[in-house]
Formats: sequence, C-alpha cells, structure tokens
Amino acid sequence: EVRLVQSGAEVKKPGESLKISCKGSAYTFTNYWIGWVRQMPGKGLEWMGIIYPGDSDTRYSPSFQGQVTISADKSISTAYLQWNSLKASDTAMYYCARQKERRFDYWGQGTLVTVSS
Amino acid sequence: DIQMTQSPSSLSASVGGRVTITCRASQSISSYLNWFQQKPGEAPNLLIYTTSTLQTGVPSRFTGSGSGTDFTLTISSLQPEDFATYYCQQSYSTPWTFGQATKVEI
Repeated sequence: EVRLVQSGAEVKKPGESLKISCKGSAYTFTNYWIGWVRQMPGKGLEWMGIIYPGDSDTRYSPSFQGQVTISADKSISTAYLQWNSLKASDTAMYYCARQKERRFDYWGQGTLVTVSS
Repeated sequence: DIQMTQSPSSLSASVGGRVTITCRASQSISSYLNWFQQKPGEAPNLLIYTTSTLQTGVPSRFTGSGSGTDFTLTISSLQPEDFATYYCQQSYSTPWTFGQATKVEI
C-alpha cells in the first residue's frame, strides 16, 4: 500500500531553521510529483509547491516562493520542506501528498510545526 | 491565482439527508476539480477527482458534477461518518487552490 510518512512534530523559536521530511513507500518515488500543503490553525488548505523527485524539478506558489525550500533525495525516497528563518506565522500543520496526474491521491499524516519564543 | 469560492461555509443536516456543496472558480478550469474530506486531526482524503470520478474506496453516495466554473458535491444519504469538513480544489493551473471549506454538522 502506498504510504507517505512524515517526520514528527517540531517546536522552534523564531529565527531558527527547520527541515521536515516525507518518506514515500510502496511505489516508484521518482515517478510522481510530491506536493506540500499548509494548514494554519483552524484554517483551510494552501498549496505550497511541488517537486518531481526524478529530476528535482520544483514549482512554488508565489505565496511561498522565497519563504521555503522544497527538495528531495530520491536515493531514500524522501522529500523535504525547509525554512531558513522561522516566523511565528509559520505555525501550522504541514502535509505532503503524492500527485497522480491532476490530483493528490495519498497524503502523509502531517507534521505540526510550532514557532514560539 | 484562480480563486475558488465554496458555499455554504457550514451546514446542518440529518443522518439520511441529502447535502449539496457548491464550488465556483474565478475562471474556467475545465473539469480539473477535486473534492476532499477532512476529519478533525486527520489529513485530507481524496473523494472525487476530475469533477466526477470517485476515488477508489469512496462510497457511491458521493457524487460530483459540473464543468467550467461551477461544480457541486452531493452526498445522497448522509451517514454518521460523513460529518466532516469538505474542500474543493482546482488543479487546472498552478498554484492549485482550494475552496474555503464547508463544515457539515449534525
């Protein structure tokens, strides 16, 4: 069964860096885009960007361009979402999802990121 | 970005009842419209893709329709497990955008 397993919850201070992960299994990781979706507390879903692990082609939402970095290591079937300097407004649940054609068909369980001084 | 306007933002319904949620795109998105269900503390779950195709394992009481800019999700006979929050999402152009959500309550 296809699975996306995300890294655990994080508590960070403003200005700190962070990299969270999403490991795929039971499918050919390099053949599908992986997307990242943000959900702020009590709010809706926001598409952040996608990466194609086969060649690391990456697309960002203009809202997140320059704010985060999406990367992937195909040798270990893992995608990443990274911040260089966290802000309190980055506090949210972050989901990764596998993109099949024009849909996100499998989702990770989510990683809660809390940024607080 | 394409704006997705979902309505209503919340609704109350009874078990066995019929529910319709609408989603309107700010421009034509052809049939590239997906629907997700999210329960508290869980990741979103794909219900319907490309307007009307049921994801594997999703009960047939869920149906989707529409084209262009106007779309609907209908739940024909609400079950207790259907009380959740629903999102539409366009996948016509990046950034893919979601509707603001509809919470279905008892």
